[in-house]
Amino acid sequence: GQNIDQPTEMTATEGAIVQINCTYQTSGFNGLFWYQQHAGEAPTFLSYNVLDGLEEKGRFSSFLSRSKGYSYLLLKELQMKDSASYLCALYSGTYKYIFGTGTRLKVLA
Amino acid sequence: ETGVTQSPTHLIKTRGQQVTLRCSSQSGHNTVSWYQQALGQGPQFIFQYYREEENGRGNFPPRFSGLQFPNYSSELNVNALELDDSALYLCASSLGRQGSGETQYFGPGTRLLVL
Repeated sequence: GQNIDQPTEMTATEGAIVQINCTYQTSGFNGLFWYQQHAGEAPTFLSYNVLDGLEEKGRFSSFLSRSKGYSYLLLKELQMKDSASYLCALYSGTYKYIFGTGTRLKVLA
Repeated sequence: ETGVTQSPTHLIKTRGQQVTLRCSSQSGHNTVSWYQQALGQGPQFIFQYYREEENGRGNFPPRFSGLQFPNYSSELNVNALELDDSALYLCASSLGRQGSGETQYFGPGTRLLVL
């Protein structure tokens, strides 16, 4: 089976840096996605990691360690509009995406 | 804007009824996936279609069925609705056959309430 764990909620201050962790137990997967979802809206793509290491995209970076069963999303220079849920998803390659329950991030002024 | 649309936006049904939800993918996107998202949870994979054939299914009973049409539209049908079917239903499209982890583009979803 594939279990994905994320913290339920996190709070951070505008301008700060926050790291959202995702741990998983799985027998194998092709890659790991991160999505952002604002309340009442559809998820939007942030990043996709296939290999171990850090992928940087502007203010957002994502890290994957397959040996440790661990990924994180790093958000820098937080803005109020970053308040959203962040979803970690494994792509299993058998045409299935397995999503975590998401981390609700609140950015305070 | 992802170019993926869904209809209706909201729907109320009663237990035992049947419902059809619709999705229009981006032109050229041959793969569509459907998800169920309960409040406070991540999306749960229902099934996926590639060029009008189902090519992957999650842990959902047969009363959840789908169709994909050549014009990049698709449907999710749910029979014998149960209270637990109340959720946001998302469709997501991508370019090709999803063996390569292609990015999915989600529609805005249909919020279904079963009374």
